[in-house]
Amino acid sequence: QKEVEQNSGPLSVPEGAIASLNCTYSDRGSQSFFWYRQYSGKSPELIMFIYSNGDKEDGRFTAQLNKASQYVSLLIRDSQPSDSATYLCAVSSTGNQFYFGTGTSLTVIP
Amino acid sequence: EPEVTQTPSHQVTQMGQEVILRCVPISNHLYFYWYRQILGQKVEFLVSFYNNEISEKSEIFDDQFSVERPDGSNFTLKIRSTKLEDSAMYFCASSDQGARQPQHFGDGTRLSIL
Repeated sequence: QKEVEQNSGPLSVPEGAIASLNCTYSDRGSQSFFWYRQYSGKSPELIMFIYSNGDKEDGRFTAQLNKASQYVSLLIRDSQPSDSATYLCAVSSTGNQFYFGTGTSLTVIP
Repeated sequence: EPEVTQTPSHQVTQMGQEVILRCVPISNHLYFYWYRQILGQKVEFLVSFYNNEISEKSEIFDDQFSVERPDGSNFTLKIRSTKLEDSAMYFCASSDQGARQPQHFGDGTRLSIL
């Protein structure tokens, strides 16, 4: 059984702070890692994806991957109230499907 | 920006009836997916479709479910003999190079079984 684990939260950070979201996965064969944002009642929206160990930065977002530890994280710098949402970690391995975590609820407090 | 479109946005059906959920993937994408999200729960993979056939399916995707690409643009999910527990959001997604590439999601169809 391939599992993707996330702390469900809620995670609360003040506006302007760094939000750190974490995800672990069980399948060592996993190859691609994705972060999606989901507002209540809406569909998942792609934030970032990462394939290789290390960091990948896109604007205020940084994804970090450590395959040895089976760990992927998302950092959001200068958090804004509009970042308040549920963040979904998704992982794909050798097959043609994603496995999603349960998501971490983030609240940015003005 | 190209989008995945889904219709209807909300479907209400009596238990035992059949429903068809429709999706138009992004035009140059070759890989298509259906996911389900029960209220308050995680997004669950149902099925992936490539080259006019199912490439993978989950344990949820049993004989009650079927998918079809009836023409060059539509991708459908049929649910037969609906049950109360089929009530959920159903998301269609597409990608251009399979699950190693990001999947783009439609806005979803909220299915309510009465």
